[in-house]
Amino acid sequence: GQQLNQSPQSMFIQEGEDVSMNCTSSSIFNTWLWYKQDPGEGPVLLIALYKAGELTSNGRLTAQFGITRKDSFLNISASIPSDVGIYFCAGRVPDSWGKLQFGAGTQVVVTP
Amino acid sequence: GAVVSQHPSRVICKSGTSVKIECRSLDFQATTMFWYRQFPKQSLMLMATSNEGSKATYEQGVEKDKFLINHASLTLSTLTVTSAHPEDSSFYICSARGSAPGADTQYFGPGTRLTVL
Repeated sequence: GQQLNQSPQSMFIQEGEDVSMNCTSSSIFNTWLWYKQDPGEGPVLLIALYKAGELTSNGRLTAQFGITRKDSFLNISASIPSDVGIYFCAGRVPDSWGKLQFGAGTQVVVTP
Repeated sequence: GAVVSQHPSRVICKSGTSVKIECRSLDFQATTMFWYRQFPKQSLMLMATSNEGSKATYEQGVEKDKFLINHASLTLSTLTVTSAHPEDSSFYICSARGSAPGADTQYFGPGTRLTVL
């Protein structure tokens, strides 16, 4: 199915640096979700956003639901080695039993 | 957070055999479950939406007779890959839709790695 536009595709950063990634769509979503996936495992929910303009934090993670409801960003502050993985954004398709559209993912590599 | 389990985590089978994958929501009732397929270095591709007590809704291009989905209870959905072939080898992931007032999201299982020889 149609994917969201997620960028950047990959990031190579040093430990302690901040990370920022975003997703945009031509469609409006009622919910934005951010997941992290480690190799060989299922995605793990990081942050869920339910209202336009909402800014939510989970530890060193902060995500925002764009005012237009067509975009969202995720920030990771003071990165650590265990932040390595692939981060996916997902928007919930309205009136679809909760079906999600996924971004292509952002691979984060953290070097000591 | 909500817990979703999958069984088996890995399966190797011969071409032509059928494989069943179970997806369970352990601590919540899931009226809707989803099945995804993921190829290496790619995003998740939705295969079908499974609602408890009704027929699954398949995405375009997904063969419903090959990928049989049964959602018999509010905590269990199964995906059966029938007459598996090597091109069916992939990482299959289920998710369950959790719902509480004002909080609607999906929780994913750990995935099942299928290898068809």
